[in-house]
Amino acid sequence: GQSLEQPSEVTAVEGAIVQINCTYQTSGFYGLSWYQQHDGGAPTFLSYNALDGLEETGRFSSFLSRSDSYGYLLLQELQMKDSASYFCAVRTGFQKLVFGTGTRLLVSP
Amino acid sequence: GAVVSQHPSWVICKSGTSVKIECRSLDFQATTMFWYRQFPKQSLMLMATSNEGSKATYEQGVEKDKFLINHASLTLSTLTVTSAHPEDSSFYICSAREGEGTYEQYFGPGTRLTVT
Repeated sequence: GQSLEQPSEVTAVEGAIVQINCTYQTSGFYGLSWYQQHDGGAPTFLSYNALDGLEETGRFSSFLSRSDSYGYLLLQELQMKDSASYFCAVRTGFQKLVFGTGTRLLVSP
Repeated sequence: GAVVSQHPSWVICKSGTSVKIECRSLDFQATTMFWYRQFPKQSLMLMATSNEGSKATYEQGVEKDKFLINHASLTLSTLTVTSAHPEDSSFYICSAREGEGTYEQYFGPGTRLTVT
């Protein structure tokens, strides 16, 4: 089967740095994506890693280790608006995405 | 950027009736569209993949006779929940992929279905 595990909830204060981990076990692997979803809203794309290493996009960075079947999303200089759910997703084929269990991030003042 | 819309944004229906949800790509042609279901505080589960002009491919455990998918044009896919029951109440999200050479999916805003 397919499984992508994430911590269910993470809390942090404004200005802090937080890391959300994702461990996966899938039948195929083309790359790892990260999505942000506010309550009642659509998932929005944050980043994609196909190769090992760190990808940086502004305040967000994403890391992948294919040998460890592990990745993480790093959020820096946290803002209140970053409070949302974050999902990792593995591209298991050219078209298909399998989503992780999701992590709810709560940012407090 | 690529925009995907869904209609309606929320719908309440009685048990036993059918509901149709539309997914449109507004500024691009979507050769492939995807339908997901998301229960409260849970992850997105892929229900089916639809390619324009052909039958949808359903994920294991998804009843194709209950969740009818039509992808009649390059900008429109519809999901019809037939004979809806309260357990079908969920957040239904579509996404669309532009062209054959890209894998990125653009997500719609979702449709909240409540079956009473």
